[in-house]
Amino acid sequence: DAGVIQSPRHEVTEMGQEVTLRCKPISGHDYLFWYRQTMMRGLELLIYFNNNVPIDDSGMPEDRFSAKMPNASFSTLKIQPSEPRDSAVYFCASSFRAETDTQYFGPGTRLTVL
Amino acid sequence: QKEVEQNSGPLSVPEGAIASLNCTYSDRGSQSFFWYRQYSGKSPELIMFIYSNGDKEDGRFTAQLNKASQYVSLLIRDSQPSDSATYLCAVTTLRGSNTGKLIFGQGTTLQVKP
Repeated sequence: DAGVIQSPRHEVTEMGQEVTLRCKPISGHDYLFWYRQTMMRGLELLIYFNNNVPIDDSGMPEDRFSAKMPNASFSTLKIQPSEPRDSAVYFCASSFRAETDTQYFGPGTRLTVL
Repeated sequence: QKEVEQNSGPLSVPEGAIASLNCTYSDRGSQSFFWYRQYSGKSPELIMFIYSNGDKEDGRFTAQLNKASQYVSLLIRDSQPSDSATYLCAVTTLRGSNTGKLIFGQGTTLQVKP
């Protein structure tokens, strides 16, 4: 299995631009999670999906952030407009049966907003 | 009070020693507990999970859970320089919702010196 795939691996953009991060979960996993990691705040859950349906988006920082999962093998996290404080590493993870099952992380996208 | 607390370290141990990493959590209803290892610049990877009070051993790693005291620990025997990484404690919580999700601690940085 290829594991969780994320793209791009690195993204540098200017403040105000739209940023789209992409994720392909492990095949057969029902749950997909988006996390953000910074030195100050650690690893934070932004949103997660079960069978393509958003279950908990309480971690999404504000309306500039949105996430979709149009099918079982693809999800996007969009930031519009981006701000310097959005600079972080964004991880996607998936798990098989439940939110409480082992989560497998993708390699992450390092976002820098200038 | 943070939901999951860890000493950020760094914890420095000599090669061959036992490294002891500790984590406390605030939600008494938490049921599942995970230890992830994260090398610098990489994504978190699961080391162990534990659900029941007591010890669980896997090779050089032992997870210990004490629900009454609300702490979970990870012991690494015969520490190797390759164990140098940040160790993240993650705890499931239902607080504030009817869906479980993982809450991560800030992580403890372990340095194993040859």
